Amino acid sequence: AQSVAQPEDQVNVAEGNPLTVKCTYSVSGNPYLFWYVQYPNRGLQFLLKYITGDNLVKGSYGFEAEFNKSQTSFHLKKPSALVSDSALYFCAVRGFSGGYNKLIFGAGTRLAVHP
Amino acid sequence: GAVVSQHPSRVICKSGTSVKIECRSLDFQATTMFWYRQFPKQSLMLMATSNEGSKATYEQGVEKDKFLINHASLTLSTLTVTSAHPEDSSFYICSARGSIESPLHFGNGTRLTVT
Repeated sequence: AQSVAQPEDQVNVAEGNPLTVKCTYSVSGNPYLFWYVQYPNRGLQFLLKYITGDNLVKGSYGFEAEFNKSQTSFHLKKPSALVSDSALYFCAVRGFSGGYNKLIFGAGTRLAVHP
Repeated sequence: GAVVSQHPSRVICKSGTSVKIECRSLDFQATTMFWYRQFPKQSLMLMATSNEGSKATYEQGVEKDKFLINHASLTLSTLTVTSAHPEDSSFYICSARGSIESPLHFGNGTRLTVT
């Protein structure tokens, strides 16, 4: 069965420090992986995706993610955190069931960047 | 970038009434739209997948007669919560994509409160 795990409910980082939000996945075949961010009372915004190619994927707002096939991980990273990065982050993998491709989301990780 | 408009952003209704939520893709044709429900501090739960011109596919445990989904055109899908009850109070989010390779684009969500 396809699944996504985000082991941390919350990540706390000081502004200016690097941040990492962890994600591991389980899927048969080649994974299609995504990161989304959600601000309060808003929908999700797409950050980046991995389908094929370079393991290091660069996305919006200075975020990047590294695909590691042996560790089945797709951790989200940013070299220098901003207070405005504080939000809820979701990792997702594309799964297939019921005749459709659909996104399977992790539980989410709340990122808190403090000044 | 692709824009998905969801309306209304907030709605308060009385128990027993029905509420319609609209989801529009503004600058692309959405062959597939998805409806999610999000409980406080939880991840997104996929409710149903709809393709233009065909019946929606509901996830297990989602009552199709309770949550009516119509995908009448390539730019519009609607979710109608029929005979709403307080337990239907939640944050509902739609998403849409153009092609199977495209990332999902999300609406800003609808906060439904049933009194």
